[in-house]
Amino acid sequence: GENVEQHPSTLSVQEGDSAVIKCTYSDSASNYFPWYKQELGKGPQLIIDIRSNVGEKKDQRIAVTLNKTAKHFSLHITETQPEDSAVYFCAARDFNKFYFGSGTKLNVKP
Amino acid sequence: ETGVTQTPRHLVMGMTNKKSLKCEQHLGHNAMYWYKQSAKKPLELMFVYSLEERVENNSVPSRFSPECPNSSHLFLHLHTLQPEDSALYLCASSQDAGQAYYGYTFGSGTRLTVV
Repeated sequence: GENVEQHPSTLSVQEGDSAVIKCTYSDSASNYFPWYKQELGKGPQLIIDIRSNVGEKKDQRIAVTLNKTAKHFSLHITETQPEDSAVYFCAARDFNKFYFGSGTKLNVKP
Repeated sequence: ETGVTQTPRHLVMGMTNKKSLKCEQHLGHNAMYWYKQSAKKPLELMFVYSLEERVENNSVPSRFSPECPNSSHLFLHLHTLQPEDSALYLCASSQDAGQAYYGYTFGSGTRLTVV
């Protein structure tokens, strides 16, 4: 089955700086890669996603890049704000199942 | 609210108790899921229902019993749990279990503590 690894497990940045979270996957058949943000006391919420036929997607301050050859994808957050502090999960969809990374706890210091 | 509602939000139960977790969605989705979230571990898929039929059971112990009476409701019945079952249980829904490009909508979860 698919194996998704996520790094780093914790990330601390100063407000206004950029944050990058990286994930790798093992199965080249995976074709859809969503990112979720989980705030304290809440369930994960989809924030951005990318399909395997696209290399990059951007939505305001967040962007996702995908390198199919290397089997890795990354989440980029620019101009970070304290409200970006949360746990972020990547996922890869292989056939009809999602495989999740273990999460990155992002702390944005004001 | 995300459109997926889970109750209760918190549950403390003894190892001999029987309780049920409830999930409700009014998004028109036809697939529903139960996930277990433990500290510092990836989300663990437990059960998948598509069009009210169970299509996945990931080697979950029989002390967890799912029920999907219709496409809007999903239950997880619990009995004789172990302390290691303490975790956040998340319900999710999606448009179709077979579609490649739909993400999940998660509920806020039920924080379960087994004492």
